[in-house]
Amino acid sequence: DARVTQTPRDKVTEMGQEVTMRCQPILGHNTVFWYRQTMMQGLELLAYFRNRAPLDDSGMPKDRFSAEMPDATLATLKIQPSEPRDSAVYFCASGVSVGEQFFGPGTRLTVL
Amino acid sequence: GIQVEQSPPDLILQEGANSTLRCNFSDSVNNLQWFHQNPWGQLINLFYIPSGTKQNGRLSATTVATERYSLLYISSSQTTDSGVYFCAVSTGANSKLTFGKGITLSVRP
Repeated sequence: DARVTQTPRDKVTEMGQEVTMRCQPILGHNTVFWYRQTMMQGLELLAYFRNRAPLDDSGMPKDRFSAEMPDATLATLKIQPSEPRDSAVYFCASGVSVGEQFFGPGTRLTVL
Repeated sequence: GIQVEQSPPDLILQEGANSTLRCNFSDSVNNLQWFHQNPWGQLINLFYIPSGTKQNGRLSATTVATERYSLLYISSSQTTDSGVYFCAVSTGANSKLTFGKGITLSVRP
């Protein structure tokens, strides 16, 4: 049963600390997305990659967020330094080009 | 960018009742998906339906792309149907999904 996996599932950290979230897309999917869900903003796109190349990161605060895809089986989202307003659920999704997207279970981040 | 509006925002049903959830969008789309976010926060794919009609058990969906709306039908609702239902669309060569605000469904026993 192919699915997107994310680690960690929960993360509690203190303001100023670095946070790294990892995602393993479904094998064979060439497009990987990072979304963030908050009560105020709902679900919004942070960044996405196609064939490991970044296509759009306009939704991401550039000064503290970075997204990479070191290989086809791993995508990372890093926050440095973290702030309380970054508290949210971060979802990774994968798909094939403009087709259906499948979401991982999410990482619930709490920054104190 | 494209606008996605879902209605009604909240819905309370008695178990066994039927319901229709609506999604309106402001531009042509090449992807439309319906998701169910369960009480544990997981986003479950219900339908990939940029046009046409699909059915899966008690759920069915119809997208009328020319009129820019989609409908999700839930028949014989169960308590496990409770949660938030999202419609999300993408347009053009840009495959990022734009989500609606969701419809919160509560099914009471």
